[in-house]
Amino acid sequence: NAGVTQTPKFQVLKTGQSMTLQCAQDMNHEYMSWYRQDPGMGLRLIHYSVGAGITDQGEVPNGYNVSRSTTEDFPLRLLSAAPSQTSVYFCATRKGWGQPLPDTQYFGPGTRLTVL
Amino acid sequence: GDSVTQMEGPVTLSEEAFLTINCTYTATGYPSLFWYVQYPGEGLQLLLKATKADDKGSNKGFEATYRKETTSFHLEKGSVQVSDSAVYFCAFNSGYSTLTFGKGTMLLVSP
Repeated sequence: NAGVTQTPKFQVLKTGQSMTLQCAQDMNHEYMSWYRQDPGMGLRLIHYSVGAGITDQGEVPNGYNVSRSTTEDFPLRLLSAAPSQTSVYFCATRKGWGQPLPDTQYFGPGTRLTVL
Repeated sequence: GDSVTQMEGPVTLSEEAFLTINCTYTATGYPSLFWYVQYPGEGLQLLLKATKADDKGSNKGFEATYRKETTSFHLEKGSVQVSDSAVYFCAFNSGYSTLTFGKGTMLLVSP
């Protein structure tokens, strides 16, 4: 099993450009999510999905879109990149949802994005 | 609102020293508590977890006890190694599907 994979590892964009960060998992996990990590801010939830066709907003959703057409994939789209979106982006998955169990979240290796 | 407060780093220790990283949380209900570790250039990995009051999570020599009365989950290790150098995140599950993370504490261990 590859676990959680993210592409690309690094990306540089100009302000106003759009792009899609890819996330894929082969663990058949229902729950997938996107976080951004900024110095001194910890991890903040952008969007999450509890299954194919179902998505919801997290703490910092503005400027990002998501969709979940399959169980395996959960792409994150930047519509019009801004310097404030310079960050490290992590995709995470967990098996269960809708219950307060300590299911482990599995994180991808991250995508480091710079917006000039 | 829900939040996690961790001690600010970096924490700098010599090898074999005792480690404590403080973590307190503000949450409704009775969350499960986690410590995640991030090694340089990598994603986060679950280090340990505890699901109810007085539970002790442990892994790789690290321990943390769920203290409901003080809403704390402090991370400890008796003898750190250079390979423990990483960023450590305290977190809890806020709601059924999300985790709330602290800002992270960098640990630097020198030989």
